[in-house]
Amino acid sequence: AQSVTQLDSQVPVFEEAPVELRCNYSSSVSVYLFWYVQYPNQGLQLLLKYLSGSTLVKGINGFEAEFNKSQTSFHLRKPSVHISDTAEYFCAVSAVGSYIPTFGRGTSLIVHP
Amino acid sequence: GAVVSQHPSRVICKSGTSVKIECRSLDFQATTMFWYRQFPKQSLMLMATSNEGSKATYEQGVEKDKFLINHASLTLSTLTVTSAHPEDSSFYICSAQGEMDYEQYFGPGTRLTVT
Repeated sequence: AQSVTQLDSQVPVFEEAPVELRCNYSSSVSVYLFWYVQYPNQGLQLLLKYLSGSTLVKGINGFEAEFNKSQTSFHLRKPSVHISDTAEYFCAVSAVGSYIPTFGRGTSLIVHP
Repeated sequence: GAVVSQHPSRVICKSGTSVKIECRSLDFQATTMFWYRQFPKQSLMLMATSNEGSKATYEQGVEKDKFLINHASLTLSTLTVTSAHPEDSSFYICSAQGEMDYEQYFGPGTRLTVT
């Protein structure tokens, strides 16, 4: 089984500042990794995913994440955030070959003007 | 891109009644759909996996007689909450798995409030 730990429940940041949302996972097998964004009262939208290959993954809206196997991490970064990035962000993991992810508890990104 | 819709987006019902939530894949066929439940400020919990033409597979702890799932076609899955109680109030989200990329595409969710 896989599990995900999102270390920060809430991350406040000022507009145009950089941000990092942390995610660590646990698994006894090789994994796929995902980041999703959820705006209030909406479903989830895929930001980016790591399946294989380059450990630096670029996604939509200027976000990127780096897979670090030795540290079992998949932190999400953006060099300059906008007010519109205010949302809930979920890290998720699945075993290779399975596309049914296990979700972390989420990190609320709050961007202040 | 692949679009998944849910209907209704919000529903309020009285305790003891049943509520049906529809999940549709609008521009692709989905052999497999998933139903999740999300409590406020918490993560998504997988309730069941729905396969077209066969019985749903429920996660441990989910009452199959209370949460009836039907996947009658390749574009439609329904979740019926039977004899709803206030503790069933939650945000229910479905997702559909793409045929080609196996990625999950999520619906916008349905907020159920049981009074």
